[in-house]
Amino acid sequence: AQSVTQLDSQVPVFEEAPVELRCNYSSSVSVYLFWYVQYPNQGLQLLLKYLSGSTLVKGINGFEAEFNKSQTSFHLRKPSVHISDTAEYFCAVSSMDSNYQLIWGAGTKLIIKP
Amino acid sequence: DGGITQSPKYLFRKEGQNVTLSCEQNLNHDAMYWYRQDPGQGLRLIYYSQIVNDFQKGDIAEGYSVSREKKESFPLTVTSAQKNPTAFYLCASSIPPPSGVYGYTFGSGTRLTVV
Repeated sequence: AQSVTQLDSQVPVFEEAPVELRCNYSSSVSVYLFWYVQYPNQGLQLLLKYLSGSTLVKGINGFEAEFNKSQTSFHLRKPSVHISDTAEYFCAVSSMDSNYQLIWGAGTKLIIKP
Repeated sequence: DGGITQSPKYLFRKEGQNVTLSCEQNLNHDAMYWYRQDPGQGLRLIYYSQIVNDFQKGDIAEGYSVSREKKESFPLTVTSAQKNPTAFYLCASSIPPPSGVYGYTFGSGTRLTVV
């Protein structure tokens, strides 16, 4: 069965420092990959997605992610974080195996230290 | 602007009572989903519907019921059979697979508390 692993439940980082949130997936077929952000007491908002083509995907708020097929990873990065990036980030994968429904990781809380 | 509206934002229920959470979308999406979110447990799928008058159980359907009489609406009823209903509930919609792989659009959630 398809699965998504977000290796870190929490990532603390100082303001203006770079950050990487890790996401690995398991699938034997072609996948579509997504990162969502959830601010406190709100719904989820799409940050970026990989469907095909260039493996480096740019999203909103200065985030980007790189699809690595050989390592089955889709890590999210930002070169310089702001206090407003404090949120929970979810990775999700979709493929024929899941009937194209999104399979979710457990989420990573990004904690920005002033 | 198109979007998903969940109401109410906060809901309090006494033990033993049924309660219905509203979810309405004007995105013309065929597929709709209900998720439950508990601290540290990510998103768990309760029910989903890919077309009007049809819906499927997700991973944690026990104690919940849904209906899909209109394309725009997918209400969730939390019944008294749900042993631990206090949680944050999220509704989402999408273009159904495989015609589109655009991800889901989410509502802003309803926080249900049993008192």
